[in-house]
Amino acid sequence: DAGVTQSPTHLIKTRGQHVTLRCSPISGHKSVSWYQQVLGQGPQFIFQYYEKEERGRGNFPDRFSARQFPNYSSELNVNALLLGDSALYLCASRPTGLNYGYTFGSGTRLTVV
Amino acid sequence: KQEVTQIPAALSVPEGENLVLNCSFTDSAIYNLQWFRQDPGKGLTSLLLIQSSQREQTSGRLNASLDKSSGRSTLYIAASQPGDSATYLCAVSLRQAGTALIFGKGTTLSVSS
Repeated sequence: DAGVTQSPTHLIKTRGQHVTLRCSPISGHKSVSWYQQVLGQGPQFIFQYYEKEERGRGNFPDRFSARQFPNYSSELNVNALLLGDSALYLCASRPTGLNYGYTFGSGTRLTVV
Repeated sequence: KQEVTQIPAALSVPEGENLVLNCSFTDSAIYNLQWFRQDPGKGLTSLLLIQSSQREQTSGRLNASLDKSSGRSTLYIAASQPGDSATYLCAVSLRQAGTALIFGKGTTLSVSS
């Protein structure tokens, strides 16, 4: 089985631009979450989606948005990029049920210049 | 507000040594606790998942314990190897936050040969 796949792996954007990051969960996983990891810190929760509905949102500005598609893949969108948005963005998926752990993808490294 | 702390922040040991990484959390109302490994610039690899009702989990040379009442978990690594060099992150899944993971900042382990 393929793991959690994220695309692109790296990208460079200019301040003020918009970016879309993509995530495909493990087959059969309906829950997808997004995390931001700044260098030297642990990942910070951004969004959680389950069955195409938002189930949780972290303490991030409205410039951050996400959605989940009928095939359970997900997009994270960030508008009006700031230098501080430079980070590793991680996607994680999990089977249905509260007692399962999360599987993470390899992440997208976003650099804002 | 749930806070997760990992001590020490960094650890250097010679090959073959047994070691313990510590994780503490402030709110005992958790679903589970997960230990991850992260290689530089990479995504997270799940090592062990402990349910809130469990006391410990083992996988190979790794053993994780959980004392929910005191808000502590430890990750024990036996007979360390240079390949164990990485950052180790612990994360708790909260009951009241849609099962979002709250991470510590990690312990960076270096095992010398």
